[in-house]
Amino acid sequence: AQKITQTQPGMFVQEKEAVTLDCTYDTSDPSYGLFWYKQPSSGEMIFLIYQGSYDQQNATEGRYSLNFQKARKSANLVISASQLGDSAMYFCAMREPRSNSGYALNFGKGTSLLVTP
Amino acid sequence: EAQVTQNPRYLITVTGKKLTVTCSQNMNHEYMSWYRQDPGLGLRQIYYSMNVEVTDKGDVPEGYKVSRKEKRNFPLILESPSPNQTSLYFCASGPGQVSNEQFFGPGTRLTVL
Repeated sequence: AQKITQTQPGMFVQEKEAVTLDCTYDTSDPSYGLFWYKQPSSGEMIFLIYQGSYDQQNATEGRYSLNFQKARKSANLVISASQLGDSAMYFCAMREPRSNSGYALNFGKGTSLLVTP
Repeated sequence: EAQVTQNPRYLITVTGKKLTVTCSQNMNHEYMSWYRQDPGLGLRQIYYSMNVEVTDKGDVPEGYKVSRKEKRNFPLILESPSPNQTSLYFCASGPGQVSNEQFFGPGTRLTVL
């Protein structure tokens, strides 16, 4: 079974600084996809970034980038130039195959990020 | 605007009173799924559907039903809700089997008394 581990329950970062949120994964499938989501206090799940296992380059989306180290099975999220609005829970997830060509997202327990002025 | 919508957003009900949470997406996605989020347990998949009239159980299907009569809609039905189904529910959709997109609805906060 696949497993996602986020070892940092909580993180602090000062506004305008960069922060790295850790995510390690465990899978025996050669083909997989990794997602990062942001969940603010209002509760919605906001898709941030995706990395496929065969992607040659690390994914980037604006201030978000993914530090993908396949051999180490890590997919850390880097947020550059933090803003107060980045304060939220952040979840790493892996796509897990299911029957009938279906799939589920297997989520880590999340990291709570607080951005301070 | 591309989106996944859920209704209602908040619901307080009593044990045994049947309820339906609707989910609709306007992105023509094949894949739709329901998750529940509970403190300490994270998000767990309830049911998913890869196409119209095709539904499959996820990790925690007990006490829930779903249907996929149209591509855009995937309602979650609780025939006889119980307090242990108090949770935050999310509907999600994606374009297909190998997807780099997975969009979530705004969530439905359900309390069963």
